[in-house]
Amino acid sequence: AQTVTQSQPEMSVQEAETVTLSCTYDTSESDYYLFWYKQPPSRQMILVIRQEAYKQQNATENRFSVNFQKAAKSFSLKISDSQLGDAAMYFCAYRPRDNAGKSTFGDGTTLTVKP
Amino acid sequence: DAGVTQSPTHLIKTRGQQVTLRCSPKSGHDTVSWYQQALGQGPQFIFQYYEEEERQRGNFPDRFSGHQFPNYSSELNVNALLLGDSALYLCASSWTSGNLLTDTQYFGPGTRLTVL
Repeated sequence: AQTVTQSQPEMSVQEAETVTLSCTYDTSESDYYLFWYKQPPSRQMILVIRQEAYKQQNATENRFSVNFQKAAKSFSLKISDSQLGDAAMYFCAYRPRDNAGKSTFGDGTTLTVKP
Repeated sequence: DAGVTQSPTHLIKTRGQQVTLRCSPKSGHDTVSWYQQALGQGPQFIFQYYEEEERQRGNFPDRFSGHQFPNYSSELNVNALLLGDSALYLCASSWTSGNLLTDTQYFGPGTRLTVL
């Protein structure tokens, strides 16, 4: 069974600084997707960034980038120039590339941004 | 472009009762997945509907059932409610092309179910 582990229940960052959130996963599949979702207190889950396992290049979306280490099964999220609006719960998720695509989520990291 | 919508926003039930939650997928999406998110935890996959059939199921008892309608909207039904069913229920939609699921699920705002 696939598992996703986020070892940092809480993280804090100063506004304008950089923070990295960690995620590791366990799977026997070779082809899959990885995602980071953001869930603000209003609770709507929003996609931040995604990575396809067969692509070696790390995904980037504006201030958000990932460090994908397939052999180590690691998928960390880096947030640069942190903003107050980045404060939220962040979830790492794994999905096999099959015809059903059930997603497995970690338990989340609560990010606080200090002004 | 309408996103994923869910109703109701909040719901309070008592043990033993039955509840129905509703979800309308994002425009152009034909696949609906349901997740249960307990407080302080990540979402847990309940099941997924495609072409009006349950395609995959997580580790949830038969008390949890669902339905998908021809317009792709979906319902989640929970019978014989237990206190432990209190959670945020999230609906996610995506688009299946042939047998390959596109790679991004979009989530609705959720329904907060409280069981007393």
